[in-house]
Amino acid sequence: GAVVSQHPSWVICKSGTSVKIECRSLDFQATTMFWYRQFPKQSLMLMATSNEGSKATYEQGVEKDKFLINHASLTLSTLTVTSAHPEDSSFYICSAETGHDYNEQFFGPGTRLTVL
Amino acid sequence: GQNIDQPTEMTATEGAIVQINCTYQTSGFNGLFWYQQHAGEAPTFLSYNVLDGLEEKGRFSSFLSRSKGYSYLLLKELQMKDSASYLCAGMDSNYQLIWGAGTKLIIKP
Repeated sequence: GAVVSQHPSWVICKSGTSVKIECRSLDFQATTMFWYRQFPKQSLMLMATSNEGSKATYEQGVEKDKFLINHASLTLSTLTVTSAHPEDSSFYICSAETGHDYNEQFFGPGTRLTVL
Repeated sequence: GQNIDQPTEMTATEGAIVQINCTYQTSGFNGLFWYQQHAGEAPTFLSYNVLDGLEEKGRFSSFLSRSKGYSYLLLKELQMKDSASYLCAGMDSNYQLIWGAGTKLIIKP
């Protein structure tokens, strides 16, 4: 159980365009979803925490107007990278928390974004 | 500040045992997680410790000492598929995970 999917798995886009990444909890309702970014050979960096029906909480240094997060339902959160630039190229991973047990996070498979 | 320290890279031989250490400093403490991450993939959960002691789960075991701010992940009977990065993460008083940079484990035949 506790499967999280992400779509797309990888995306290549031109500089200046916007890219939307979807994160879905397939077999459970996620009280909270998290968005991470990971650069090569580096650890996960939390970008924002989102709760269904409320505004996302962004980490320091993450531009909320550039990385738009929408958590429309208990099973879906989206991250939109607006006006993408080459430095936004990274591996974006979402995770979802069931709210049970010890707040274990279940990770999606990740989305590799390349901005040309 | 909050910090997680773990070695950058370790090498071990197939069939052997390896211990990956992690020290942590968090604002409050709600447990210590270990995740496995293969290259280009998302992390997968391995273990969770919130009380002192050793938790054994098959070939993998995890240990926690809260007084020392220390944990380790022990991998036995190493297999080639265990080559991956192992991420240590501490959960603070706000239930937020503080991630280490990961330990890349290289398994040699």
